[in-house]
Formats: sequence, structure tokens, C-alpha cells
Amino acid sequence: GAGVSQSPSNKVTEKGKDVELRCDPISGHTALYWYRQSLGQGLEFLIYFQGNSAPDKSGLPSDRFSAERTGGSVSTLTIQRTQQEDSAVYLCASSLSGQWGYNEQFFGPGTRLTVL
Amino acid sequence: KQEVTQIPAALSVPEGENLVLNCSFTDSAIYNLQWFRQDPGKGLTSLLLIQSSQREQTSGRLNASLDKSSGRSTLYIAASQPGDSATYLCAVEQGAQKLVFGQGTRLTINP
Repeated sequence: GAGVSQSPSNKVTEKGKDVELRCDPISGHTALYWYRQSLGQGLEFLIYFQGNSAPDKSGLPSDRFSAERTGGSVSTLTIQRTQQEDSAVYLCASSLSGQWGYNEQFFGPGTRLTVL
Repeated sequence: KQEVTQIPAALSVPEGENLVLNCSFTDSAIYNLQWFRQDPGKGLTSLLLIQSSQREQTSGRLNASLDKSSGRSTLYIAASQPGDSATYLCAVEQGAQKLVFGQGTRLTINP
């Protein structure tokens, strides 16, 4: 079946603009995750959704970052007033359930964001 | 705070060799450990997941072991092939559903 998909695959924007990144999880997966991968920082957790709720937003770097999930499916990560340090690959993952210890996470191809 | 370390950072071996990648973590209170591979410019592909109660998992030429008490995991790749060239990442789930990743081992298999 189809895997996790993300759009756009690449996004170039100017400093100060807002961007929206989209994630379509695997059908039937109730848990959805956003991560960021940047040079020198490795992969870092941003936010997790169980259904449409986000129990853990601890990884969001600042209040310029927000995310939502609707219908227990598609999620959007929004970055307002982008800064150059926001340049990174943003990865989305989904898992069948949010039950601890049983979360094999499947990742999408990522969105490469470049802020000029 | 959980820290995950992978050694070596890079490894280059001739085709056909067996090899071991290492992963260590500082807090043994984990729910599971997952190994991924990442090809250049691509997302992550899940290879193996070992739950905290398990000691090892096998998939084809891959075998991953977990020693939770000592905070270590190894990924063993048998009869390496050029197609195995990629960056290998380990990650632990410690709760709150998030994975904490190591920095990865960049593996090159030379034909």
C-alpha cells in the first residue's frame, strides 16, 4: 500500500515568509509525528499527534511553529516568519497506534526547506 | 536527558564482509529501539524494531541485538553488498511517543 507522503518535496522561501508543509500518513495509522533533520543537529522530534490531538508539543522550537491534524489523517506544519535557521529537512512519520513500545514508525521522504 | 551515540561515524568496507554497527544510549528506561537506513536525499526506511523485552530481531541479512541494561545495541550486516551503502540510524523510544536518534553511521560498501 501507499506509504507516508509529504508535499512539497522542496520549498525555497524568503526570510520572513510563512510556509506550510503537508503530510499524508499511511491509511489507518492513528499516530503521526514531525521531525526535523538539519546539518549538525541530527534528527530532532517536533510534535506528535494521536488522532487529532497533540499530547506532546515539547519539541516545537518556538511559537512560530504550529501544527494541526484534521480528520485523523492529513497534518500541516506551519512555520511563520521563517528564519534562516529554519532551513532543514522536515520529516513526517506515522505509526499504527500510539501505544508505547509498539510504535514502529514509518517515515515519508521529507520536505527540504531552504530559507534565503 | 537521553543521549544516543553511534560509533563509528563512518565505515568503509569491501563487498562481502560482515560488519557491525554500534549504538549506545544513556538511559536504559526505553520502550523500544529501532534501526533505520537513510539513502542520500531520501527519508528513513525502517529496518528492525526491538521491543524492550526482546534481545534481538532478524530480517534477512540483518540482525539487531539489544542489551538494555548496558545501554547498547548492535546491527550486524552479513555478506555486505554495494546496495547496503547508506546512513544507518538507531533511535530509542523513551516515552511520549517520540524517538531520540543517534547521529548515524555512514556506511560505504566498495565493490
